[in-house]
Amino acid sequence: DTGVSQNPRHKITKRGQNVTFRCDPISEHNRLYWYRQTLGQGPEFLTYFQNEAQLEKSRLLSDRFSAERPKGSFSTLEIQRTEQGDSAMYLCASESGALGNTEAFFGQGTRLTVV
Amino acid sequence: SQQGEEDPQALSIQEGENATMNCSYKTSINNLQWYRQNSGRGLVHLILIRSNEREKHSGRLRVTLDTSKKSSSLLITASRAADTASYFCATFNTGNQFYFGTGTSLTVIP
Repeated sequence: DTGVSQNPRHKITKRGQNVTFRCDPISEHNRLYWYRQTLGQGPEFLTYFQNEAQLEKSRLLSDRFSAERPKGSFSTLEIQRTEQGDSAMYLCASESGALGNTEAFFGQGTRLTVV
Repeated sequence: SQQGEEDPQALSIQEGENATMNCSYKTSINNLQWYRQNSGRGLVHLILIRSNEREKHSGRLRVTLDTSKKSSSLLITASRAADTASYFCATFNTGNQFYFGTGTSLTVIP
């Protein structure tokens, strides 16, 4: 257990439904990342927060995706009008210290299946 | 698209042998990190090597970095069955982007 908690661990949803995932980072970590990982691939960067500010967004993050970190603590990732191509593992990571110069701690991920 | 590429994609060795995985990347980096992932689980950080470092050790792990060739290697010595996992390199480049490679799937046969 790295201290980063993600909920739910698994989510099965019908195409077209909205889903929301939650990430609780390590409490003193000011940076939080979201990644998406499909089978046999490495994690792909989606977005990153410094405290409550969303500072980077990947082009992978279409208009159907939105992420928030309202109080600089937990974060949510919402996918609207889900598509089968959204099926993947969604990983959250947190870190602190000098940007990019410390290890990131990952949660166990939320596995999304869109049927 | 992903920044790094690991080589080989899959590696199968006998317990006790050494395992070497390579990672190549495309742009200038601040540091390079190696992570491990057991099937269906999150990633666990193994080691970080900064762009001004050439080699780093941690237990049975040895990491090298050659910024002129934009490549890194991870060596696991005296492998154990419990080392079976996927291994990813991740780069944090000067554009403040954090990217993972495609991974090497390591199988250690008891």
